[in-house]
Amino acid sequence: NAGVMQNPRHLVRRRGQEARLRCSPMKGHSHVYWYRQLPEEGLKFMVYLQKENIIDESGMPKERFSAEFPKEGPSILRIQQVVRGDSAAYFCASSLQTGTGGINYGYTFGSGTRLTVV
Amino acid sequence: GENVEQHPSTLSVQEGDSAVIKCTYSDSASNYFPWYKQELGKRPQLIIDIRSNVGEKKDQRIAVTLNKTAKHFSLHITETQPEDSAVYFCAARGYSTLTFGKGTMLLVSP
Repeated sequence: NAGVMQNPRHLVRRRGQEARLRCSPMKGHSHVYWYRQLPEEGLKFMVYLQKENIIDESGMPKERFSAEFPKEGPSILRIQQVVRGDSAAYFCASSLQTGTGGINYGYTFGSGTRLTVV
Repeated sequence: GENVEQHPSTLSVQEGDSAVIKCTYSDSASNYFPWYKQELGKRPQLIIDIRSNVGEKKDQRIAVTLNKTAKHFSLHITETQPEDSAVYFCAARGYSTLTFGKGTMLLVSP
């Protein structure tokens, strides 16, 4: 099992460009979460997706950020017109089940994409 | 929504000492409390978790305790080793997603 795969590991973008981050969950996991981590800060929730559905996007900025998890292929976090403040590590995690009405499972995290906006 | 507070933000101990990290949460509906260890430049990795129907769980040198009444849970590491040096995050989960504390940087000196 290859675990949660994120790519690219490092991404450099100029201000105003688009950043596209990819995440393939662990085999058998249908729940995907995106978190942002700034230096010396915790993991901030951005969005929770299941296949073809956004379940909770309460942590994602309303403008410039979007996420999808299509029926086929990886989950994508897209940041349009990037600004310096978008520089951070973006982690994707996947799990077997959510807590709602079911057994809670821990998240397995990917290695992250470190976005640098210059 | 859920709010998780974590203390201390940094913790320095001598090798062989014990380390304790404490967290509080706000949502009484939260019922799952994992702890993650993150080494520099690496992914957060689950080291232990506890569910709300259990008060304490132990795995070798690490243990977690949960006080649901006080909405408080703690990570205990005994006989610390230099390789335990990392950032540790607590988290709480109720409805759907994990809310993380801001992390504790643990430094174990030989």
